[in-house]
Order: sequence, then C-alpha cells, then structure tokens
Amino acid sequence: EAQVTQNPRYLITVTGKKLTVTCSQNMNHEYMSWYRQDPGLGLRQIYYSMNVEVTDKGDVPEGYKVSRKEKRNFPLILESPSPNQTSLYFCASSPRDGPSYGYTFGSGTRLTVV
Amino acid sequence: AQSVTQPDIHITVSEGASLELRCNYSYGATPYLFWYVQSPGQGLQLLLKYFSGDTLVQGIKGFEAEFKRSQSSFNLRKPSVHWSDAAEYFCAVNTNAGKSTFGDGTTLTVKP
Repeated sequence: EAQVTQNPRYLITVTGKKLTVTCSQNMNHEYMSWYRQDPGLGLRQIYYSMNVEVTDKGDVPEGYKVSRKEKRNFPLILESPSPNQTSLYFCASSPRDGPSYGYTFGSGTRLTVV
Repeated sequence: AQSVTQPDIHITVSEGASLELRCNYSYGATPYLFWYVQSPGQGLQLLLKYFSGDTLVQGIKGFEAEFKRSQSSFNLRKPSVHWSDAAEYFCAVNTNAGKSTFGDGTTLTVKP
C-alpha cells in the first residue's frame, strides 16, 4: 500500500531532551515536507525537500532540523524541544511534479513537551 | 509571499443541502491550488487540485471547485452534503519550489 509512515504517533517528552520523529514513504516521491498543526492556525510548513540532500526552510523552521540522506526518509529533529513545540506534526510527500500534484500525508505525530 | 484566507471558521449545513466553502489566495504567479479534508484524528486527504486548464475542477467524494482568477478565489462546492462530510477543510497554495501555504481551515458540521 502506498503510504507515508510517521513514528511515533504519540510522544511525551521533557524540555531539552533531543528527539527525532521519523518519516518514510514507499512511493519513490521526490518531494517531502514537514508541517505542524495548531488549533486555529491551520498547517504551517516547517521544512521541505525537493530531493536527496536538498532541503529548504518553510514558514516556521526555528527549533527544528531535517535531513534527506535517502529518498524515502525525511526525519524531523528537535535538538532541544520546548513547550511551544507541543503540536500535531505531519509529514507529506509528493512526486516529482509535486507543486502541481499535491501531497500525500502521514497520519500525524502528536508531540507534547513538558 | 503567498497567503490563503478561509473566511469561515465554522459552517453548519443540513444533510442534503448544498455547500460552499470559501477560499481566497494571494500569490504573484499562477497558483497551484488544492483542497484537503481532515476527519477527526486523521491525516489530510487531497480532495481536488487546480493548476491550469478548465477552471471548474472535479474531485473525489462529489466535490468540485471553481478557480476565479479575477477574484483570487478557489471555492469548494458540493450539491448535496452527507453526514460523513463533517470534517475540517483546508485550502492550500503551492509554489513551483515546493513551498506550500495552508488556510486556517473551515470546520463543517452536518445537521441531520
């Protein structure tokens, strides 16, 4: 089944403890992207990647890192999480003509930082 | 920079009634426009998209949307709403480089 897989689905952590949310897609898509969703704010793009070793900042990149060493994987790294990063996170992917194709989304990761 | 506005935070319609969700965008070039739906506790699912050609586009689940360049709008419509359509709906615009911007969403409630 074609899908975007995020892990974990739920995560509670403490301030300052580094964490990684994994994202993997099995559709051979070039484009991948991370979003956070907060009530009343819709989805805001954190980082996106047009291909391996190519990443760019979205609207809210502060406090996050990403890497794209393999085409299928696009992990989101929080080096020192803070409570304002408590949110619902989505990973998404799209084929080569992604901007016109639209994204396939994962099921989300609900992160709580205490 | 691009932006998307969904003026209606919450809309309630009766089952069987028609639906229109509004979306206005701001973008300097020809936009790639999308509507997504999110059911509670789920990820987002693409309903339909527009990037060129016929300005009336058909999507899944009986939805359609019309692109009006003069009004910078991309409104979503459905002739007859079903109870299962209750969800949150997001309009989005993409740039050529892969950057995407979403509206704040419209929550649809369907009355029996």
